[in-house]
Amino acid sequence: QKEVEQNSGPLSVPEGAIASLNCTYSDRVSQSFFWYRQYSGKSPELIMSIYSNGDKEDGRFTAQLNKASQYVSLLIRDSQPSDSATYLCAPHRSNDYKLSFGAGTTVTVRA
Amino acid sequence: DAGVIQSPRHEVTEMGQEVTLRCKPISGHNSLFWYRQTMMRGLELLIYFNNNVPIDDSGMPEDRFSAKMPNASFSTLKIQPSEPRDSAVYFCASSLAKGFEQFFGPGTRLTVL
Repeated sequence: QKEVEQNSGPLSVPEGAIASLNCTYSDRVSQSFFWYRQYSGKSPELIMSIYSNGDKEDGRFTAQLNKASQYVSLLIRDSQPSDSATYLCAPHRSNDYKLSFGAGTTVTVRA
Repeated sequence: DAGVIQSPRHEVTEMGQEVTLRCKPISGHNSLFWYRQTMMRGLELLIYFNNNVPIDDSGMPEDRFSAKMPNASFSTLKIQPSEPRDSAVYFCASSLAKGFEQFFGPGTRLTVL
């Protein structure tokens, strides 16, 4: 089993719709969870971090965390063509330095 | 405030040549990470430092790869000799401390012919 698994893409959604990205992780000790966005040819950019169970909203983005189920998700509301990118899930153990990155889910927003 | 700085942004070299990639972390960040990204293998952690000391280099693929961090504001990743399979985008990232978010540099796209 991979450390971090993300729903396979590509995920194609119409403009204005909700894009739902899922991530499961195997390490129960993970405490912090980060979502990165990577545009084609660019570097990963941190867009969300979540530390506690429940929802965290930031603009059009909502992260949801369920540690019991070892599941974290990212919702993009009112999707825009500028949201077309690959989204990387990265759980983190509090007693470690490194992040474990998922393979990423590529999202394409159709105008 | 400047983010993570990497140089060069692009490097094209011939097989067998030495390649040196450079990174300047965000000022005040204590941890530095080197990653490699390819389509086939995704984002791979090569090595990371904390307070200029290498903590884990288990991701370094071969002895041809080496990394140093002589001070808090500079790190290098060297490949000697380079091979075509080393072609990838190499990212440097830094974080404030253990458990904090990592911030990535723009990357160096390496092509080994």
